[in-house]
Amino acid sequence: SQTIHQWPATLVQPVGSPLSLECTVEGTSNPNLYWYRQAAGRGLQLLFYSIGIDQISSEVPQNLSASRPQDRQFILSSKKLLLSDSGFYLCAWSATGLNRQPQHFGDGTRLSIL
Amino acid sequence: GENVEQHPSTLSVQEGDSAVIKCTYSDSASNYFPWYKQELGKRPQLIIDIRSNVGEKKDQRIAVTLNKTAKHFSLHITETQPEDSAVYFCAASRNEKLTFGTGTRLTIIP
Repeated sequence: SQTIHQWPATLVQPVGSPLSLECTVEGTSNPNLYWYRQAAGRGLQLLFYSIGIDQISSEVPQNLSASRPQDRQFILSSKKLLLSDSGFYLCAWSATGLNRQPQHFGDGTRLSIL
Repeated sequence: GENVEQHPSTLSVQEGDSAVIKCTYSDSASNYFPWYKQELGKRPQLIIDIRSNVGEKKDQRIAVTLNKTAKHFSLHITETQPEDSAVYFCAASRNEKLTFGTGTRLTIIP
């Protein structure tokens, strides 16, 4: 069966520091991969999605970037964090195919910027 | 792009009663509509989904209905239980991306 791993679970970082969040999927190949951010008590904001290696789309202009160094690995990065980057970051994957497939979420990273 | 509106934002029901959450979407080409349940501090989990070639789908106490003409879909939970308390999100999709509603906080009153 497919599993998605996301780490770290929690992270406290000072303003201006760099960020690297990692997500890996097991048990499937060529998945679609997604990064979302969820502010406290709010909905899900899509940040990036990728339908393949070197195919990454950005949804919201910001100081974050995403990379997909391997088929089942998705990384969210920042060179200098802002206070507004605090939130709950969720990675998700879906299977590719003609029919739309559900997205399955990782356990998330709770990021606090001080 | 797609726009999904979800109502109500909060909903309280007595244990054993039914709960209904409604969503509307704007893109007539959307063809996939999942519902997610998110407990406090946890990840969203898929509870049911429906495709545009189907008008209704049921899974035990949970059902989803879709009206393509009116571009709205609804989640129905019957015989609610305390463990149904959570935030529920609807979503719509026509491609690889999902557009989510803003969520409904459902509270089941014992």
